Amino acid sequence: AQTVTQSQPEMSVQEAETVTLSCTYDTSESNYYLFWYKQPPSRQMILVIRQEAYKQQNATENRFSVNFQKAAKSFSLKISDSQLGDTAMYFCAFMKPRSGGSNYKLTFGKGTLLTVNP
Amino acid sequence: NAGVTQTPKFQVLKTGQSMTLQCAQDMNHEYMSWYRQDPGMGLRLIHYSVGAGITDQGEVPNGYNVSRSTTEDFPLRLLSAAPSQTSVYFCASSYSRPASSYNSPLHFGNGTRLTVT
Repeated sequence: AQTVTQSQPEMSVQEAETVTLSCTYDTSESNYYLFWYKQPPSRQMILVIRQEAYKQQNATENRFSVNFQKAAKSFSLKISDSQLGDTAMYFCAFMKPRSGGSNYKLTFGKGTLLTVNP
Repeated sequence: NAGVTQTPKFQVLKTGQSMTLQCAQDMNHEYMSWYRQDPGMGLRLIHYSVGAGITDQGEVPNGYNVSRSTTEDFPLRLLSAAPSQTSVYFCASSYSRPASSYNSPLHFGNGTRLTVT
């Protein structure tokens, strides 16, 4: 079974600075998908960024980027120019794509609570 | 589009009571699932369905039942609530075709906070 580990239960950063959230995972698969989800105090789950394992180029979405190290099984999230609205719980998630039914069985890490301070 | 709608948003039950958490989506998604979120535990998969009439167990299915009589609805039933089921519950849906699984990630509802006393 796949496992996802987020070793930082809580982090804080000053507004406008850069912060990196770490995520490691364990799998024997060669192809898989990785995601970062954001959960603000509103409780809504919002997809931040995603990465396919066979793509070597790191994904980027505006101020959010990842450092994907396949050999090390590491998938960290970098948030640049942090904003107060980035304050949220961040979850790293793993998906093993399969044909048929169970494509979407995401395995989540335990989350990192990020606080952006003014 | 409403997306994924969960009701109720909050619920308090006494031990032994039963209830159903409702989940509906209007995106014609084949795949629907239920997760529970507990502090320090992340989100854990309870049950999922890949289409009407088809359901399967996830990581933590005990104490919960599901059914999928229509594409749109995927209710989660607690037959005899226990304090250990105090949690926030999320319903999520997506398309199920393998080619689109990456481009169509899970859409989540806004959650139901359940307290069992």
